[in-house]
Amino acid sequence: SAVISQKPSRDICQRGTSLTIQCQVDSQVTMMFWYRQQPGQSLTLIATANQGSEATYESGFVIDKFPISRPNLTFSTLTVSNMSPEDSSIYLCSVDRQGDNEQFFGPGTRLTVL
Amino acid sequence: SQKIEQNSEALNIQEGKTATLTCNYTNYSPAYLQWYRQDPGRGPVFLLLIRENEKEKRKERLKVTFDTTLKQSLFHITASQPADSATYLCALRRGYQKVTFGTGTKLQVIP
Repeated sequence: SAVISQKPSRDICQRGTSLTIQCQVDSQVTMMFWYRQQPGQSLTLIATANQGSEATYESGFVIDKFPISRPNLTFSTLTVSNMSPEDSSIYLCSVDRQGDNEQFFGPGTRLTVL
Repeated sequence: SQKIEQNSEALNIQEGKTATLTCNYTNYSPAYLQWYRQDPGRGPVFLLLIRENEKEKRKERLKVTFDTTLKQSLFHITASQPADSATYLCALRRGYQKVTFGTGTKLQVIP
């Protein structure tokens, strides 16, 4: 299995500001994923982050709004930029170890934008 | 576009009964299907995986079926307990494509 931690666990932010969420994994992984889960909804993939290359963003998500860093095989950050109340959501980090065919998720970061 | 639907937003069931959750998909040919459990305020936790060439998979009180003709998976929890109360998500994947998650079914087991 993989143990994933996220910081912060929750935050309340003002409109127009930015928040960086950190994701730390206890083992080296190739692919890391960032998801958003809005209240009562399922998980929506924001982007896939591979170490040493640019993140791949899903339709509807852009790098200027959600810049991602992946400096090594155990760590990634997601920044939610120029926040609006519509960005209020839970943001989840996930890893997928090849051969496991399952994803491991962090505990999530609950973001509220006022 | 790909679409995954799970039956009803909430399912209430009496303790000891078998809970059956449904996952239907369209415009997709998954290589395998996964079921996850999610508790409030937590990330999803993997439960079971079933491949396209498998009809049924069991793990303790859990049973999953996969019908690629009907494009449907059924998830059963036998002898349900209040501790089984959670949201259950199905997810599909083909190869190294991204995992697509369903909308989730909230299960409430009543003592």
